Order: sequence, then C-alpha cells, then structure tokens
Amino acid sequence: ILNVEQSPQSLHVQEGDSTNFTCSFPSSNFYALHWYRWETAKSPEALFVMTLNGDEKKKGRISATLNTKEGYSYLYIKGSQPEDSATYLCAFPVNAGGTSYGKLTFGQGTILTVHP
Amino acid sequence: DGGITQSPKYLFRKEGQNVTLSCEQNLNHDAMYWYRQDPGQGLRLIYYSQIVNDFQKGDIAEGYSVSREKKESFPLTVTSAQKNPTAFYLCASSIPGQGPAFFGQGTRLTVV
Repeated sequence: ILNVEQSPQSLHVQEGDSTNFTCSFPSSNFYALHWYRWETAKSPEALFVMTLNGDEKKKGRISATLNTKEGYSYLYIKGSQPEDSATYLCAFPVNAGGTSYGKLTFGQGTILTVHP
Repeated sequence: DGGITQSPKYLFRKEGQNVTLSCEQNLNHDAMYWYRQDPGQGLRLIYYSQIVNDFQKGDIAEGYSVSREKKESFPLTVTSAQKNPTAFYLCASSIPGQGPAFFGQGTRLTVV
C-alpha cells in the first residue's frame, strides 16, 4: 500500500486565522498530486492538480505548493472562514502497470474546523 | 449535465446476502474507482478500472467484485465474504493520472 500521509489529522482555528497543512508522498516515480475539499453531506471536489516541482496554484484564499524532490505539498488557507470547514484530502496517482497512472490513492485527510 | 450517479443512497443488507451498488457516469471518463470510507479513516481504494473490460484490485478488494462492461458503468458487488461491509461507499471517475476525480454522492451500506 502506497503511503500518502497528511498532517495534522484535525485542526481547529478561529475565523480570520490563516492555516496550512501537509501532504507527504513518495518522491520517486512522481506523476501528479491532487487536492480535494470534502464538505459534510457533499461529495469531494477537486481543488488543484499539481504536476511540476515548484508549482504554486491559487483559488481565492486557498493556495498550494509542491515539492516533488522531497515529496510534500502544502495547502494554505488565508483568513479562514466558517465555510472553509471541511476535510481536505490529497491524492496521488500511481502507475500500476503500463503507461497509465490510473490508481488514485488518497491520504487520510485533514479535518478543518473554523470557529466563528 | 455531466456527472456521476450512485444508487441507492442508503442500502440495508442482511448478513449473508450479496448486494450491488450502482455507479453511472456521463463524463466520458476512461477511469472509474470505488472507495470505502469508515469513521475516522480516509478513502481506501477497493477496485479501479482504467478502461472498459479491464479492472484491478485496489488496497482492500477482498469480499468485493466489480465489472466494467460499459464505459459509463462500474457496479460494485459487496459479497457475503466481506466481513465488515457497513461503510460509506464512493464512486469516482477521471481521466487517468492528471485528470481530477469527480465523485458521486455515495451509498451508505448498513448490515442488519
């Protein structure tokens, strides 16, 4: 089983705080790294797909960076709002044979709670 | 509208029965996936398929079976061999690799 590790497991912050969490993945044979947000009673939704070392992507107050050489990605939320409360998941496509990276493996997620 | 449809939303199974969870997508994606979520855990991969008529075991395939006879459909059967089937099941599809996964609404299976 491929180890995709996320930390911390859960996080409580106050509205307005900025926060960040980590996804660690095997640095060998890297193909891409995905970030998802999963709100209660909804389906997970993709935030970012990152492919290049040094990539930085941004969507509103959320941004992510990627270091493929050392095998980690950070997700940052600036000025957290209660509506940012969700589980944040990273996922790592794995080559399970041939040329296709179709095996998508998820980390355990970071549960973020933003208190008003 | 394109998307993934899972049915049913809730399913109750008696011990010893097989049940089949439906997953249909109209996104024209080659890859489809089944994940299981248990309380306090992330998404664990049961089976995945990268193309029609082909599928591979994920990390927790024991007690499950799948088929991929059509591009749009990837049903999951939870067999009586699955010792602890009560869980939340999510189906997803994607362009293999760099494409983000799109998820269905999930099926909550309870063994009674």
